[in-house]
Amino acid sequence: DVKVTQSSRYLVKRTGEKVFLECVQDMDHENMFWYRQDPGLGLRLIYFSYDVKMKEKGDIPEGYSVSREKKERFSLILESASTNQTSMYLCASSFPLPREGHTDTQYFGPGTRLTVL
Amino acid sequence: AQKITQTQPGMFVQEKEAVTLDCTYDTSDPSYGLFWYKQPSSGEMIFLIYQGSYDQQNATEGRYSLNFQKARKSANLVISASQLGDSAMYFCAMREGRLDFGNEKLTFGTGTRLTIIP
Repeated sequence: DVKVTQSSRYLVKRTGEKVFLECVQDMDHENMFWYRQDPGLGLRLIYFSYDVKMKEKGDIPEGYSVSREKKERFSLILESASTNQTSMYLCASSFPLPREGHTDTQYFGPGTRLTVL
Repeated sequence: AQKITQTQPGMFVQEKEAVTLDCTYDTSDPSYGLFWYKQPSSGEMIFLIYQGSYDQQNATEGRYSLNFQKARKSANLVISASQLGDSAMYFCAMREGRLDFGNEKLTFGTGTRLTIIP
């Protein structure tokens, strides 16, 4: 079974702090994604990565950066946390192309609920 | 314009009844994929079902089926014989373009909260 883990389920930080959210997958997936989920807005893509050290901006990258030094790990960084970054953050991973017996679905971690005070 | 529209913020359904969750999409690309995910209160997104734009038949996975009406750009999820464990948020999502490098991004709708009543 695919497993995507995130470093924390709940996190409370103060305004201005640097925040690291970590995501690890164990299925050798090339693609990894960071979303934030807010009520009434669904999931919105922040950044994604299709290979080690490669990254692409999603729909709402402002205020965030990412790091992918190893294939299995994708980190989301809030350089200076603000209250409007209080949200649920979801990490996902996938193969880049359909493989025998697989759809191109993304596999999600359990999420990190971040509160910025 | 919204690429994925889910017009039902919440639904209440009696246990054992069938339920249809609506999803309409907007794309000009002839190649795309449509997904449904379930998010229980635990927070994890669970993949349910997939429909490709060139698939001739509606997708089915156990109690889940996707009512794909291409001309109307709708991809409704049908859950037969609902169970209490089906209570969750449900999201419709779309991938646009051929499944090539760089086209793996998904666009999600705002979700429908389904509550099954015993």
